[in-house]
Amino acid sequence: KAGVTQTPRYLIKTRGQQVTLSCSPISGHRSVSWYQQTPGQGLQFLFEYFSETQRNKGNFPGRFSGRQFSNSRSEMNVSTLELGDSALYLCASSLLGLLVGYTFGSGTRLTVV
Amino acid sequence: EDKVVQSPLSLVVHEGDTVTLNCSYEVTNFRSLLWYKQEKKAPTFLFMLTSSGIEKKSGRLSSILDKKELFSILNITATQTGDSAVYLCAVVAETSGSRLTFGEGTQLTVNP
Repeated sequence: KAGVTQTPRYLIKTRGQQVTLSCSPISGHRSVSWYQQTPGQGLQFLFEYFSETQRNKGNFPGRFSGRQFSNSRSEMNVSTLELGDSALYLCASSLLGLLVGYTFGSGTRLTVV
Repeated sequence: EDKVVQSPLSLVVHEGDTVTLNCSYEVTNFRSLLWYKQEKKAPTFLFMLTSSGIEKKSGRLSSILDKKELFSILNITATQTGDSAVYLCAVVAETSGSRLTFGEGTQLTVNP
């Protein structure tokens, strides 16, 4: 079966712009979580969506937002980009928010210049 | 706030060596500890340890959880160059849904 698909794979943006990243979960999975990975901070939780509702949120500023559609696909948006937002953004999906079968996508590498 | 500390941060070994990676944690209402392997981008699942499953083994990899001392170790025996990767440890609290708190990871390099 297809895995978790994230698009685009790479992205270069300039400071002040906004960006939207997409995550298509494994078919049948209803929970999607987003993480930011940077060399200094490691993997940090952004938010989790389940059945179109945000169920959990990490400690990130309001510039980071997300949503989930009825087909479970999720998008995250970052507004007013800063250099420090350069990172690998990973999403993970699971069937019902369970840890078993919690599968990561290959991520979107965002570079802010 | 939940916290995970991994050590060492970096490790270089020769093929055939045995390695032990460490993970200590602080979490309120612990539910599970997970180990992942990250080679390029997508972390891939290795083990999940809970109160009811404190020792896991798969081939050359094994892991134990010490809930009293709040740590876990990941052992890799007879290492191969394909084991070179970042190994990530993460914990989940009972009240956190599927929110994982990760450590910084251990960069393992296995030289031929």
